Amino acid sequence: ETGVTQSPTHLIKTRGQQVTLRCSSQSGHNTVSWYQQALGQGPQFIFQYYREEENGRGNFPPRFSGLQFPNYSSELNVNALELDDSALYLCASSSTGTGHLRMQYFGPGTRLTVT
Amino acid sequence: AQTVTQSQPEMSVQEAETVTLSCTYDTSESDYYLFWYKQPPSRQMILVIRQEAYKQQNATENRFSVNFQKAAKSFSLKISDSQLGDAAMYFCAYRSGDSNYQLIWGAGTKLIIKP
Repeated sequence: ETGVTQSPTHLIKTRGQQVTLRCSSQSGHNTVSWYQQALGQGPQFIFQYYREEENGRGNFPPRFSGLQFPNYSSELNVNALELDDSALYLCASSSTGTGHLRMQYFGPGTRLTVT
Repeated sequence: AQTVTQSQPEMSVQEAETVTLSCTYDTSESDYYLFWYKQPPSRQMILVIRQEAYKQQNATENRFSVNFQKAAKSFSLKISDSQLGDAAMYFCAYRSGDSNYQLIWGAGTKLIIKP
């Protein structure tokens, strides 16, 4: 167990709806990264938050947005859901510092199904 | 842009035997890290082993070892004495050594252990 938790475990939404996924970081970690993993593929980087600000973003549209709170927990929000948004969403927490101190520890993921 | 390629969608090995999973990557950077993650059916990404590019010595973690060929941009994972619990998806991942430390992932290799 990594100490990173995500909720909910599973979620079913309808196309056009909005969804919020949540992540609690491992104790002592101040950075959160979000990844989207489509079925049968490797994860794709969505964005990263450090000290409550976006610190890097992958090739995802603005309808994917996030928040990081003072306790370093985080939310991923997706507006106007599309069928292709169906995926496993992974959250990873890490701490700043050199080399291995930036190791990312993953939560169990949230499985989102859009119908 | 950096890319990671895993050319083996699926591998199988007899229990107690040795198996090698392949990974190649492309980068123009000199400072980077490479990782192997395991994703069992429970979905949680588990770090198996990591390699710093500046280290010539291949990393080893118990039954897991890597063959890091920097000039060839190759990073294979060797699993010795395979166990039923090793069955999972294995992902190779790259991380730049600079401040934007998102992970770039391969498509994964499904490892089947035959009893």
